[in-house]
Amino acid sequence: GAVVSQHPSWVICKSGTSVKIECRSLDFQATTMFWYRQFPKQSLMLMATSNEGSKATYEQGVEKDKFLINHASLTLSTLTVTSAHPEDSSFYICSTAPLAKNIQYFGAGTRLSVL
Amino acid sequence: QKEVEQNSGPLSVPEGAIASLNCTYSDRGSQSFFWYRQYSGKSPELIMFIYSNGDKEDGRFTAQLNKASQYVSLLIRDSQPSDSATYLCAVQNSGGSNYKLTFGKGTLLTVNP
Repeated sequence: GAVVSQHPSWVICKSGTSVKIECRSLDFQATTMFWYRQFPKQSLMLMATSNEGSKATYEQGVEKDKFLINHASLTLSTLTVTSAHPEDSSFYICSTAPLAKNIQYFGAGTRLSVL
Repeated sequence: QKEVEQNSGPLSVPEGAIASLNCTYSDRGSQSFFWYRQYSGKSPELIMFIYSNGDKEDGRFTAQLNKASQYVSLLIRDSQPSDSATYLCAVQNSGGSNYKLTFGKGTLLTVNP
């Protein structure tokens, strides 16, 4: 399968700070990347679809000003959790698919703990 | 509201047995169906995908799709303890260039040695 690199894998931060998570596709170009959030014992919930060179599309109920997405190149998308609070503590996972393919491959995920 | 339903389990089977995981979906426009395996604390890993009605086999895994019944399943033959994980069913409506996946809540499978 395709290789998707996500960094960092684990981060602890203080309440009110911002955290940036990177998602890279290593062996293919991706015009679209997806950002998910997963709370303990819950399924993956799509937060937003990141589109290279244009604005991200956010799912209903996801605050675009709090979860900033940048997709500046065909291999890199970033998610910034701004002014993080304890309720933002979760497992954030990105995924992407090779151009013209519909099979999504996932990064390893980032576990965020906000104190 | 597009929904994907799975029995949350846990489903417990003895080593060597066949594990059967089921999934139903509500959106008749769904065209692509995926099974992901997720170990505790890890991200999902693609196991199988199926697009057409019928069976698709890959090693010990068989995916079955019945679009008329809006039902997709995953069979794991000769189950191993290493198969113990949560299995996520995901459904995709591939209309246009939208490749969004809708996930079920997953079924926890435990294979007992």
